[in-house]
Amino acid sequence: EAQVTQNPRYLITVTGKKLTVTCSQNMNHEYMSWYRQDPGLGLRQIYYSMNVEVTDKGDVPEGYKVSRKEKRNFPLILESPSPNQTSLYFCASSLDYYNEQFFGPGTRLTVL
Amino acid sequence: GIQVEQSPPDLILQEGANSTLRCNFSDSVNNLQWFHQNPWGQLINLFYIPSGTKQNGRLSATTVATERYSLLYISSSQTTDSGVYFCAAVSGGGADGLTFGKGTHLIIQP
Repeated sequence: EAQVTQNPRYLITVTGKKLTVTCSQNMNHEYMSWYRQDPGLGLRQIYYSMNVEVTDKGDVPEGYKVSRKEKRNFPLILESPSPNQTSLYFCASSLDYYNEQFFGPGTRLTVL
Repeated sequence: GIQVEQSPPDLILQEGANSTLRCNFSDSVNNLQWFHQNPWGQLINLFYIPSGTKQNGRLSATTVATERYSLLYISSSQTTDSGVYFCAAVSGGGADGLTFGKGTHLIIQP
């Protein structure tokens, strides 16, 4: 089944404890991206990757890092999480930036 | 960047009713998508429709790119249609991601 997977689906952590949210797609897509969703602010892009060689910041990159070492995986790294990073996170992928994007199931992160 | 506005923000209907959701965007688009966010938070792809008209069962969508708007039609609503509907677009000049509207919160009452 063609899909985007994210892990973990739910995470409660404490301020400053490094964490990684994994994202993987099995559709051989070049383009991958991360979004966060917050009440009143909607969905906003954090980082995107055109391919394994090109990664760039989205609208809200502060406090996040990403890595694209292979086509299928695009992990989101929070090196020192803070409470304002409590959010619902989505990974997405598509053939290219203008093609239909497919979203993972989401990761609910709470930082205490 | 591109601006995406959706209307109405909230809509309450009885089961069996029809509805039209609107999405206005401020620039030419390479990509326009409609999503349904279900009560569990998952984003379900409804349509990829940068132009033209598509239908999928009780749902259909039309995008008039020259006039910068898109419409999502839901016919014979069911309670399972409840949730938030998002329109999202990628502008013609951009390689970054989707810009989302604020959504239409739809409640279908039995």
